[in-house]
Amino acid sequence: GESVGLHLPTLSVQEGDNSIINCAYSNSASDYFIWYKQESGKGPQFIIDIRSNMDKRQGQRVTVLLNKTVKHLSLQIAATQPGDSAVYFCAENTNAGKSTFGDGTTLTVKP
Amino acid sequence: EPEVTQTPSHQVTQMGQEVILRCVPISNHLYFYWYRQILGQKVEFLVSFYNNEISEKSEIFDDQFSVERPDGSNFTLKIRSTKLEDSAMYFCASTGQDSYEQYFGPGTRLTVT
Repeated sequence: GESVGLHLPTLSVQEGDNSIINCAYSNSASDYFIWYKQESGKGPQFIIDIRSNMDKRQGQRVTVLLNKTVKHLSLQIAATQPGDSAVYFCAENTNAGKSTFGDGTTLTVKP
Repeated sequence: EPEVTQTPSHQVTQMGQEVILRCVPISNHLYFYWYRQILGQKVEFLVSFYNNEISEKSEIFDDQFSVERPDGSNFTLKIRSTKLEDSAMYFCASTGQDSYEQYFGPGTRLTVT
């Protein structure tokens, strides 16, 4: 069946450094991917998305890269701040709109 | 900024009891979803709902589960006879037309004892 997974369960970075969170997916037919941020006690929050016909998309301080050859997705956060500390999930969306979530990476930003 | 709301924030129930979790999606959204997240695990899709009917459901969403949009604003998830393993955070989400961006509510923590 389809699945979306993350390489590392935890990531710790210094404030001001750049963070890279990785994700591997298995469904080569996936055409849309989303990164979500989940803070403690809250629901997932949309960060950025990318369609399969793109390999890079930039937002404010965040960049998502998609490598369809190796089915790999990454989220880059520039100048990481303490407020970026959260669990990050990649997810794959279908035409019906449901998100299939990966396992999550806990990002901890050290001051 | 519009947001999805959910009530209650925490529900404690005894095994075998029925629970109804309530959600108010963003007002002009057309697609509605329920997800659950067992403590420390990833978010799992339960069901999607569009045009007053279920459009997709997962294996988790068995006969004990049902969804309803009783009026123009509420979207509910009913668990008919709760089991211990139903203990989880339940998230509602909604999406507007021509968009994949899902807006999640804050969740309802369901504890089955």
